[in-house]
Amino acid sequence: NAGVTQTPKFQVLKTGQSMTLQCAQDMNHEYMSWYRQDPGMGLRLIHYSVGAGITDQGEVPNGYNVSRSTTEDFPLRLLSAAPSQTSVYFCASHAEGAADTQYFGPGTRLTVL
Amino acid sequence: GNSVTQMEGPVTLSEEAFLTINCTYTATGYPSLFWYVQYPGEGLQLLLKATKADDKGSNKGFEATYRKETTSFHLEKGSVQVSDSAVYFCALNTNAGKSTFGDGTTLTVKP
Repeated sequence: NAGVTQTPKFQVLKTGQSMTLQCAQDMNHEYMSWYRQDPGMGLRLIHYSVGAGITDQGEVPNGYNVSRSTTEDFPLRLLSAAPSQTSVYFCASHAEGAADTQYFGPGTRLTVL
Repeated sequence: GNSVTQMEGPVTLSEEAFLTINCTYTATGYPSLFWYVQYPGEGLQLLLKATKADDKGSNKGFEATYRKETTSFHLEKGSVQVSDSAVYFCALNTNAGKSTFGDGTTLTVKP
């Protein structure tokens, strides 16, 4: 099993550009999430999904868009990149239930100039 | 809302020293509690977990006990190694599908 995969690993954007960070999981997990990790600020939840067709906002959703058309995929779209969105982005998935472990992808390091 | 507070880092220890990283939480209902570890350049991975009060999670010599009365889940290891150098995150899950993470504690172990 590949687990959770993310592409690309690195990306540099100019202010105002848009792009999509890809995330896929092959564990048939219902729950998927996007986090950003900034120095000294831990992980902050951007958006999450509890199943195909269902998404909700997390702690820091502004400037990001998500959709969940299949169980496997959960892309994150940056609508108009800003330098404040320079960060490392992690996608994670877990099975339904509070006791279930989250499985993380390797991350995408994004720089916005 | 839910929250997790971790001991501030960074923490620097000598090899074979005793490690404690404090974690306290605030949550409604009955959360499950987790410790994740992140090695440089990688994503987070599960270290251990506990799903109900008084449960002890353990893995690779690390332990943590779910204390409902003090709302704590402190991470301990009796003798750390250089290879334990990493960032450690305390987290909680509820049935709502969202996880809440602490800010992370960077541990450096020197030979």
